[in-house]
Amino acid sequence: DIQMTQSPSTLSASVGDRVTITCRASQSISSWLAWYQQKPGKAPKLLIYKASSLESGVPSRFSGSGSGTEFTLTISSLQPDDFATYYCQQYNTYLTFGGGTKVEIK
Amino acid sequence: QLQLQESGPGLVKPSETLSLTCTVSGGSISSSTYYWGWIRQPPGKGLEWIGSSYYSGSTYYNPSLKSRVTISVDTSKNQFSLKLSSVTAADTAVYYCASLKGGSSPYYFDYWGQGTLITVSS
Repeated sequence: DIQMTQSPSTLSASVGDRVTITCRASQSISSWLAWYQQKPGKAPKLLIYKASSLESGVPSRFSGSGSGTEFTLTISSLQPDDFATYYCQQYNTYLTFGGGTKVEIK
Repeated sequence: QLQLQESGPGLVKPSETLSLTCTVSGGSISSSTYYWGWIRQPPGKGLEWIGSSYYSGSTYYNPSLKSRVTISVDTSKNQFSLKLSSVTAADTAVYYCASLKGGSSPYYFDYWGQGTLITVSS
């Protein structure tokens, strides 16, 4: 099974900060990675697929990069609406989610 | 734009079978573009993929749940369903249905239902 490890588990930041979340795979997954945003009591929302492709309608301050085993989600300038929990998900072999990164207000 | 809605009993007794249905609107469940899947999230915890199915009946299950899971598609009703047998308290979670983009296998989730809390308790 492919394990996905996110870091940090919690991140404290301020509006306007540049934020980076890391996701590591236990083996190479090429670029078969997606990122989601989840707010309390809501379903996750797709942000990025194929490691760096921005889903339609998602603000351009979100970007993804990486390949192989190491990936990053970057928010270039954190907005009030961005405080949420973020998950990565691999789809190279079956489907596996990372443990999540909560972005909270500093 | 697809819309998905979960339905089913909110309380299931231990050792029984959890059954949920997801109704799809705004598109055909027989679309060659989509797979259909279930995800769960225990209270305060992360997301876990349960399994996915193509309209033709091809299924993909989380190896850790495979022995207890059945996902099926009803094209006549534009619905798909989940059955999870021999449930315990550890199966208490919010269960989501979702559509997946895919190719030769399911890829990522693009549309999600609102989720339904299933509690396993006697």
